Amino acid sequence: EPEVTQTPSHQVTQMGQEVILRCVPISNHLYFYWYRQILGQKVEFLVSFYNNEISEKSEIFDDQFSVERPDGSNFTLKIRSTKLEDSAMYFCASSGDRRSQPQHFGDGTRLSIL
Amino acid sequence: SQELEQSPQSLIVQEGKNLTINCTSSKTLYGLYWYKQKYGEGLIFLMMLQKGGEEKSHEKITAKLDEKKQQSSLHITASQPSHAGIYLCGADRSSNTGKLIFGQGTTLQVKP
Repeated sequence: EPEVTQTPSHQVTQMGQEVILRCVPISNHLYFYWYRQILGQKVEFLVSFYNNEISEKSEIFDDQFSVERPDGSNFTLKIRSTKLEDSAMYFCASSGDRRSQPQHFGDGTRLSIL
Repeated sequence: SQELEQSPQSLIVQEGKNLTINCTSSKTLYGLYWYKQKYGEGLIFLMMLQKGGEEKSHEKITAKLDEKKQQSSLHITASQPSHAGIYLCGADRSSNTGKLIFGQGTTLQVKP
């Protein structure tokens, strides 16, 4: 069964450094998402992306964050200057349609900021 | 206030017992999704409900969305240790962008 894959599974970075989290969505999906989950808290929406544009972003998704679909298969989340509070599990998700089909999630990247 | 409230927060049941997890919204839902998460891992899609009164089943898990589309329940029949994990409900609030908001999760333990 097709799945969303995320790399790396764990990323440790010094505060202030840039980090790029990578995702390969399911191949025929058109809608892409990033969510995050701080340890012990809810899964929170960060951004949705369709047709090479951001469709919606949350308050969390400030100028330090950006997303890109550099080619036909990858979808990346970049954090320019990481802060301690960026430490979380980051999930990528994709769907074939934003309403009639569910979002399928990757296994996540655990980001630890030191 | 919580946009999506799940109850109970945690549940311990004996293997073979039935259980129900609830997810309540203060606003009408355009789509309700149930996911299962093992600690520290990704979300596994279980079921999607969109119509009021809709009910879906897969193996021993049944999910329902009430007529007003403000509450959903997830029922597990004859629970097994493999059902253990964190159950999350996620809701589409008609942002037209697919944004999902999630409940805080219900942690299920099944004792053999």
